[in-house]
Amino acid sequence: EPEVTQTPSHQVTQMGQEVILRCVPISNHLYFYWYRQILGQKVEFLVSFYNNEISEKSEIFDDQFSVERPDGSNFTLKIRSTKLEDSAMYFCASSGVGGQYEQFFGPGTRLTVL
Amino acid sequence: GNSVTQMEGPVTLSEEAFLTINCTYTATGYPSLFWYVQYPGEGLQLLLKATKADDKGSNKGFEATYRKETTSFHLEKGSVQVSDSAVYFCALSAYYGNNRLAFGKGNQVVVIP
Repeated sequence: EPEVTQTPSHQVTQMGQEVILRCVPISNHLYFYWYRQILGQKVEFLVSFYNNEISEKSEIFDDQFSVERPDGSNFTLKIRSTKLEDSAMYFCASSGVGGQYEQFFGPGTRLTVL
Repeated sequence: GNSVTQMEGPVTLSEEAFLTINCTYTATGYPSLFWYVQYPGEGLQLLLKATKADDKGSNKGFEATYRKETTSFHLEKGSVQVSDSAVYFCALSAYYGNNRLAFGKGNQVVVIP
């Protein structure tokens, strides 16, 4: 069964450093998403991406964040200068079109900022 | 804006017990409602959905009914198994399509043999 994969499973970084979180969506999906969950809080939407551009973003997704689909398979989230409060579990998801709207989620990357 | 509220705290129950997890929502228009489940070490998986009022979603013995009058989408299962131990998330989207999901906090369910 096709699945969304994410790497790394756990990333530890120093405050102020840049991190890139990677996702491989399901191959025939066209919509891609990033969500995050700070420990003890709700899963929050960050951004959605379609046709090589951002289709929607939340107020959390400020200038320190960016997304990219560098090739035909990967979808990345870059955090330019990490802060302590960026520590969270980051989930990637993808969905299809034409009624195939279910969002399939990856297992997440746990980001720890020290 | 759109939001989802789930009952507080983990749920611990014995095998074959009845499970209810409460979920209420705030939304404008006609949202679609979902329950996702997350097993240890895995991503969130769609468990069931309902896209309009009075719809009942069901899967793997779980059920939830979209109640517009009470803005609720409570999850139920008549007889839980140890394998149902997981975290359960209620979620909504503004409409049934490719758009953001708003999640509740999730409830850890632990089923004891």
